[in-house]
Amino acid sequence: GQQVMQIPQYQHVQEGEDFTTYCNSSTTLSNIQWYKQRPGGHPVFLIQLVKSGEVKKQKRLTFQFGEAKKNSSLHITATQTTDVGTYFCAGQGAQKLVFGQGTRLTINP
Amino acid sequence: ETGVTQTPRHLVMGMTNKKSLKCEQHLGHNAMYWYKQSAKKPLELMFVYSLEERVENNSVPSRFSPECPNSSHLFLHLHTLQPEDSALYLCASSQALQGSYEQYFGPGTRLTVT
Repeated sequence: GQQVMQIPQYQHVQEGEDFTTYCNSSTTLSNIQWYKQRPGGHPVFLIQLVKSGEVKKQKRLTFQFGEAKKNSSLHITATQTTDVGTYFCAGQGAQKLVFGQGTRLTINP
Repeated sequence: ETGVTQTPRHLVMGMTNKKSLKCEQHLGHNAMYWYKQSAKKPLELMFVYSLEERVENNSVPSRFSPECPNSSHLFLHLHTLQPEDSALYLCASSQALQGSYEQYFGPGTRLTVT
């Protein structure tokens, strides 16, 4: 069945450093979504990418969808303490949305 | 955010108890989901409902029994649970099952089985 792998599982950075999480699907996706879950909170939708090679930006966050529509990345420039949380990618296959395991980001102020 | 609500927020139950988790969405969505979140499996899909019909049961033990009486409400009935069932149970909804629709999550029910 469809699998979505996300790396790294954990990432600790100093405030101000950059952060990147990668998402890889075993099958071609129709779209990929990204969610953020703050500590003690619930996943909240960030963005959706649909087109091959698409790049979208939200302030310091840059999202990319691979040319083959099987991988994606989220890059945060100059992290801030408010970026702490777990970032999930979710790949939309033919039948359902499959979530990756998430990358938990912690930041040293 | 009050689009998806869940009650109770915290629940402690013994292995012989019967309890129910409730989820309500106020977004006019047609699809609803139950997820289990634990340290071992961060977001594990349990059940999917589309237009009140169950479309997926992800090999969930029978001690978990979902119910969707209408498109706004979703329940998860629990009985004779095991300690390993302790987790955060998240409900989510989306506009439809098929298509490129994001999911809206509720705050979750933190379940502890003693």
